[in-house]
Amino acid sequence: AQTVTQSQPEMSVQEAETVTLSCTYDTSESDYYLFWYKQPPSRQMILVIRQEAYKQQNATENRFSVNFQKAAKSFSLKISDSQLGDAAMYFCAYRSGGQNFVFGPGTRLSVLP
Amino acid sequence: DTGVSQDPRHKITKRGQNVTFRCDPISEHNRLYWYRQTLGQGPEFLTYFQNEAQLEKSRLLSDRFSAERPKGSFSTLEIQRTEQGDSAMYLCASSPQQSYNSPLHFGNGTRLTVT
Repeated sequence: AQTVTQSQPEMSVQEAETVTLSCTYDTSESDYYLFWYKQPPSRQMILVIRQEAYKQQNATENRFSVNFQKAAKSFSLKISDSQLGDAAMYFCAYRSGGQNFVFGPGTRLSVLP
Repeated sequence: DTGVSQDPRHKITKRGQNVTFRCDPISEHNRLYWYRQTLGQGPEFLTYFQNEAQLEKSRLLSDRFSAERPKGSFSTLEIQRTEQGDSAMYLCASSPQQSYNSPLHFGNGTRLTVT
């Protein structure tokens, strides 16, 4: 079964600085999709960024970018110019074909003013 | 796009009682998912539907749990004979079928507390 690991339960970053959240996954599939979701306190989970495994170019969405290393099965999220509103739980998720999404345990990000 | 709606937002029940939650997905989405999330953990898959067909159910899901999506629109999740270990946030999400990279759109969840 596929598994997703986030080895950093908590992270903190100074406002305007850059932070990287780690994610690794285990799969025998060659074609799959990876996602980062953000869950602010007491609010719904929203998509931050997604990556298709067959694409070598790393995805970027404004201040959010990923470092996708397929051979290492690593999918880290970089947040640049951190803002107070970035404080949230961040979940890495994996999906292959028509299967359901598998989520990691999450990383709680604090942004310090 | 009115988003995914879940009802109720909070439910407190006594152990042994039955509870039912409702989820209304985004109207054009034919895939609907139920997840359970405990405090400080990631969402754990329970089941998912494509239209009215329940295509997958987690092996971790007890027989006390049942889900339906009778007309391929809204879905209900029922928990019978609730136990304290059922206390969690129950998340519903929907997605279109067009592409496997289509993300999940989540609702606000139903927080269940079993006393």
